[in-house]
Amino acid sequence: DAGVTQSPTHLIKTRGQQVTLRCSPKSGHDTVSWYQQALGQGPQFIFQYYEEEERQRGNFPDRFSGHQFPNYSSELNVNALLLGDSALYLCASSSLVVDEQFFGPGTRLTVL
Amino acid sequence: AQSVTQPDIHITVSEGASLELRCNYSYGATPYLFWYVQSPGQGLQLLLKYFSGDTLVQGIKGFEAEFKRSQSSFNLRKPSVHWSDAAEYFCAVGAGNNRKLIWGLGTSLAVNP
Repeated sequence: DAGVTQSPTHLIKTRGQQVTLRCSPKSGHDTVSWYQQALGQGPQFIFQYYEEEERQRGNFPDRFSGHQFPNYSSELNVNALLLGDSALYLCASSSLVVDEQFFGPGTRLTVL
Repeated sequence: AQSVTQPDIHITVSEGASLELRCNYSYGATPYLFWYVQSPGQGLQLLLKYFSGDTLVQGIKGFEAEFKRSQSSFNLRKPSVHWSDAAEYFCAVGAGNNRKLIWGLGTSLAVNP
């Protein structure tokens, strides 16, 4: 079992650009959650996808959007990047039959 | 408002010493409580969780935590720390399994040989 995988590992973008981050959930999981972790902070919940729909959303602007595919993998898109979007983006997968969210290693996004 | 407070930003202990990391939460409903550990360059790993029942829960790597509803606390403990325990520790609260987690700022643990 590969666990939760995320790509890319690192990414450097400039202000105003757009970025797409990808996540493959752990085998058997159907729910994907995305978190943003700024340096020295705890993770902040962005949104959660289940059955290809956004089920919950945190306090993030519409510049942050996502998608879940039929195979349960997910993408996080961020438009019009700001310097403040620089962070570690974490993906977590889960399902209704397990009582834990499993986290991937994250994607480190740097906005210059 | 829902929140998690970890009062200690950084803690240093000697190897073999006992450890207690504090966590206080504010949550309107019955909380689901979690402790995660994050090592440099690694993702978050669940140490233990509390949903209901016995208020003293055992986790992996010799960690335990006690839920005290009257104090809104869920402190993490370990009787004897190992050098490999040096990491960032996060307390989190959620509405239940599979729901969004609200996180503390974390406590950075350093272990002296």
